[in-house]
Amino acid sequence: GAVVSQHPSWVICKSGTSVKIECRSLDFQATTMFWYRQFPKQSLMLMATSNEGSKATYEQGVEKDKFLINHASLTLSTLTVTSAHPEDSSFYICSARDGQGAQYYGYTFGSGTRLTVV
Amino acid sequence: AQKVTQAQTEISVVEKEDVTLDCVYETRDTTYYLFWYKQPPSGELVFLIRRNSFDEQNEISGRYSWNFQKSTSSFNFTITASQVVDSAVYFCALSSYNQGGKLIFGQGTELSVKP
Repeated sequence: GAVVSQHPSWVICKSGTSVKIECRSLDFQATTMFWYRQFPKQSLMLMATSNEGSKATYEQGVEKDKFLINHASLTLSTLTVTSAHPEDSSFYICSARDGQGAQYYGYTFGSGTRLTVV
Repeated sequence: AQKVTQAQTEISVVEKEDVTLDCVYETRDTTYYLFWYKQPPSGELVFLIRRNSFDEQNEISGRYSWNFQKSTSSFNFTITASQVVDSAVYFCALSSYNQGGKLIFGQGTELSVKP
């Protein structure tokens, strides 16, 4: 079945530094990827939608200059948390639509990245 | 706007009890998909089921069953004879073409099954 590989699975960084999270679709082409953030005991909140070769669409309230998303190829999307602060500490998960066609709705999730900013 | 509501924040049952997790959704789209996911402590999301808006047939898979009722905009999930391994957070989610295929999650229900 479809697999999305997400790295790193966890990362600790110092306040003020930047962190990059990668999501790769291993056996399919992901034209659309979604990035979610999940705080402890809360739901998954959609941050942005990225389409290969175009700019990401951010949800209301998400700072696009802080959370840089790049989807340069059909198999790779990256999320960079710039100038990270402790309040950015969270669980970040990517998801890719794993089928073709506008009417197809199947999603494969990465295993998540637990970010801790100290 | 689309919305998914899981009113039960936490449920605790004893092993072998049946338990139903409620999910109510809102959408103006006529074509949409509903999902259930399980999230164990490791954090990974485990896909359980997908149902499209034109298929109201209930589904059973082993100890799991789902009741989809468009009339009440509900998509409830029942675990029969619960087991300790069922302990996890369960999310109901909704997506539709007119919303760009975004998958919107409910708040989640934390299920604790005690031995």
